[in-house]
Amino acid sequence: AQSVTQLGSHVSVSEGALVLLRCNYSSSVPPYLFWYVQYPNQGLQLLLKYTTGATLVKGINGFEAEFKKSETSFHLTKPSAHMSDAAEYFCAVSDTNAGKSTFGDGTTLTVKP
Amino acid sequence: GAGVSQSPSNKVTEKGKDVELRCDPISGHTALYWYRQSLGQGLEFLIYFQGNSAPDKSGLPSDRFSAERTGGSVSTLTIQRTQQEDSAVYLCASSSNSYEQYFGPGTRLTVT
Repeated sequence: AQSVTQLGSHVSVSEGALVLLRCNYSSSVPPYLFWYVQYPNQGLQLLLKYTTGATLVKGINGFEAEFKKSETSFHLTKPSAHMSDAAEYFCAVSDTNAGKSTFGDGTTLTVKP
Repeated sequence: GAGVSQSPSNKVTEKGKDVELRCDPISGHTALYWYRQSLGQGLEFLIYFQGNSAPDKSGLPSDRFSAERTGGSVSTLTIQRTQQEDSAVYLCASSSNSYEQYFGPGTRLTVT
C-alpha cells in the first residue's frame, strides 16, 4: 500500500521568494516519486521525477526536489518564485511492482506581486 | 509526437442520460489511467489498465461507471444514468514502464 500527504492545500508566496511545497509518502517498496503541475484549465504535466540514483533531482522551470528516505519526504523547491508559477502542484508515488500511482490532494500555489 | 488526446473536450448532458468519454493514449504505452477531478479538488483515481492484465477497478464510485480498453489502445469510460454529482473533469493518462504519466487535456462533463 502507498499513500501521499501534501502538507498545506494552499501556499502563498511573494514574487522572488522561496517556494517550498511539502510532500510525504509511504510505500512498502522502493518508490518512484513525481511532481506534476496543473495550470488553470489544463491537464497535468510532469515537473520532475525521482527513480534511482541522485536524490536531488532538477526539473523544468527551475524547480527541484530532494528524496529523503529517512524522512519519507520529497519536497519541491524553487529559489525564486515567478508569477507564472501560480498553479496547482501534485506529488505522486508509484508502486514499482504494480505500476500504479497514487496522487496527493494537491497544493495550490499563489504568487503575489 | 502526439500526446494523449481525449474527446469530447466538453460534454453537457441531462440527468439520467448515458455518456461515453474517449481516450487515445500515446502509442506504445501499456498503462492507461482514468481520474476524476471535481472543481477545486484533487485527483480521484477511477480505473487502471496495464497491458493484458485485468483492470484495477477499485476507484470506480458506483456500478454506473465502467471502462474498457480495446486492443490495448483506445479506452472508453462510460457513465450510465448520469447524476449531477458526476459533473467533473475526467482526465486520462498513459504511461510506459517508466511510470511517469502523460495526461490528456480532460473532458469537462456537466450534468444538468
